[in-house]
Amino acid sequence: ETGVTQTPRHLVMGMTNKKSLKCEQHLGHNAMYWYKQSAKKPLELMFVYSLEERVENNSVPSRFSPECPNSSHLFLHLHTLQPEDSALYLCASGPGQGRSPLHFGNGTRLTVT
Amino acid sequence: EDKVVQSPLSLVVHEGDTVTLNCSYEVTNFRSLLWYKQEKKAPTFLFMLTSSGIEKKSGRLSSILDKKELFSILNITATQTGDSAIYLCAGGGNRDDKIIFGKGTRLHILP
Repeated sequence: ETGVTQTPRHLVMGMTNKKSLKCEQHLGHNAMYWYKQSAKKPLELMFVYSLEERVENNSVPSRFSPECPNSSHLFLHLHTLQPEDSALYLCASGPGQGRSPLHFGNGTRLTVT
Repeated sequence: EDKVVQSPLSLVVHEGDTVTLNCSYEVTNFRSLLWYKQEKKAPTFLFMLTSSGIEKKSGRLSSILDKKELFSILNITATQTGDSAIYLCAGGGNRDDKIIFGKGTRLHILP
């Protein structure tokens, strides 16, 4: 039990599907994060929510849409993905304002066919 | 541009050996250097370093930070097969989106 729970653990979707990844943290943290982990690349930060306010990241394609309804829950809505979006998607939470460390969930292994 | 560079990217040693993993960083408004171990899924936190020259230890693992040279090392002594993992280094700034990860070092311990 890591304190950060992600579902589903595995997801296979076609390029025309719409799906959502879910993350829940039980640590009382103020900040939540979505990271993408591809083979042989560093962890890529996709989105950050701090006190439920989103920190903009203009480099992420619009086919990824985050949602943070409260400080304990974070979603990543997926639509019309590409095969190159196949990766491990990790959710993390932290105390916020740079007061690390982050605590990670087990991730969702996403395959886009 | 902020960056974290780890070396080596891959390392294979025999059980009982000592290894040193390297991490250099350039992070705006640097606040902390973090080490994580990733075995199968979730990276698990090992150390957070904020001050130069103060070694942090946890069993056979230890780490130290050099803020002048912008460098950190992670040492593992008397390695065991259970130490096989990817070791991630990250530099943290003073903003929530300023946590920059390196590519990681893939460590494999041979029995």
